[in-house]
Amino acid sequence: SQQGEEDPQALSIQEGENATMNCSYKTSINNLQWYRQNSGRGLVHLILIRSNEREKHSGRLRVTLDTSKKSSSLLITASRAADTASYFCASGGSNYKLTFGKGTLLTVNP
Amino acid sequence: NAGVTQTPKFQVLKTGQSMTLQCAQDMNHEYMSWYRQDPGMGLRLIHYSVGAGITDQGEVPNGYNVSRSTTEDFPLRLLSAAPSQTSVYFCASRTHRGTLDEQYFGPGTRLTVT
Repeated sequence: SQQGEEDPQALSIQEGENATMNCSYKTSINNLQWYRQNSGRGLVHLILIRSNEREKHSGRLRVTLDTSKKSSSLLITASRAADTASYFCASGGSNYKLTFGKGTLLTVNP
Repeated sequence: NAGVTQTPKFQVLKTGQSMTLQCAQDMNHEYMSWYRQDPGMGLRLIHYSVGAGITDQGEVPNGYNVSRSTTEDFPLRLLSAAPSQTSVYFCASRTHRGTLDEQYFGPGTRLTVT
């Protein structure tokens, strides 16, 4: 079964606004990753946060991780039309497998 | 580097036909994997490999075979295609066996089984 679940399933905002997506997972992890997928393309890695980290930044991206609640959030600040894509969280445990959620479709309107 | 390449980009099969989806990477990555992506289902792991000669099953392995004779190549074989295998297939690779590493994805193969 899918381990990661993103919320909301779809999000529509105006350019310049911030977008927040949430992810929940079920079992213990050693890291959580976020990926972006533009329509009809492969996934592209955005950011990885380790289980002993609480927050990480990369450009306009901010990721938080709360292992007590088994949840993570991805914040995109000052969104642009080019940020329109699906965003997936992926949880990594002690085995070799990354488990992906079902994704959040973000639409940024110009 | 070309990264992760997949062929073909599109394929239509009739029920019962077999075919091989090709995946290659030129980054000397140890770990390779195959996912399928269906609407509303996210990505589900089919098979993975932690090195040449080593493969294992993922979440949805039935109807698929893999082999890893070289570090670079990781083909996915559909033995007898079924309409339920209509999907978009992604190959991915990463440097290390463990998950503390980003995965690189290929562009995908869109497969339709009629």
